[in-house]
Amino acid sequence: TQLLEQSPQFLSIQEGENLTVYCNSSSVFSSLQWYRQEPGEGPVLLVTVVTGGEVKKLKRLTFQFGDARKDSSLHITAAQPGDTGLYLCAGVGGSNYKLTFGKGTLLTVNP
Amino acid sequence: EAGVVQSPRYKIIEKKQPVAFWCNPISGHNTLYWYRQNLGQGPELLIRYENEEAVDDSQLPKDRFSAERLKGVDSTLKIQPAELGDSAVYLCASSLWTRSNTEAFFGQGTRLTVV
Repeated sequence: TQLLEQSPQFLSIQEGENLTVYCNSSSVFSSLQWYRQEPGEGPVLLVTVVTGGEVKKLKRLTFQFGDARKDSSLHITAAQPGDTGLYLCAGVGGSNYKLTFGKGTLLTVNP
Repeated sequence: EAGVVQSPRYKIIEKKQPVAFWCNPISGHNTLYWYRQNLGQGPELLIRYENEEAVDDSQLPKDRFSAERLKGVDSTLKIQPAELGDSAVYLCASSLWTRSNTEAFFGQGTRLTVV
């Protein structure tokens, strides 16, 4: 079973602060995805990283895939209240390319 | 283009009663997933279909849960009989899955409360 551990589980910060959330596993993934989920909605894909060491930027969000393709991080610069939500990482791996989710980081950005 | 459509949005039932959820995926998507999400947790895969074939149902509690995907399009997930611990949000997702593209598009989910 491929497990993804996300940390921290909860994060409450003030508008304008920077933050990093982490996604770690002992398993190697062929790709890793980050989703954001708002209350009452399904998760929405933010980015997919495929290559070890890959860095992708989406406006104020920076995503990095670890060199060994076992871990990833999401860094948000100058957080805004609109960034509030549940951030989920999901890894694709195994012989059947299963999509496995972590438990998520619940981010609250206070104005 | 319409996204993944799920119904109902909310369902409250008494324990031991049956319940069914319906999902209409994005047109043309070959892969369909059913996930269960408990409060404050990430989604957990119940079953994944490639067209009409269930390719991963290892996490589906087969004593009470069943699923089908008719003609490789719509899908239903059924629980019979429901237990208190089945209270959760049931998410359906679809994708045009290839080894280089695994993006899943999710519906809004069905929130099930078993009382």
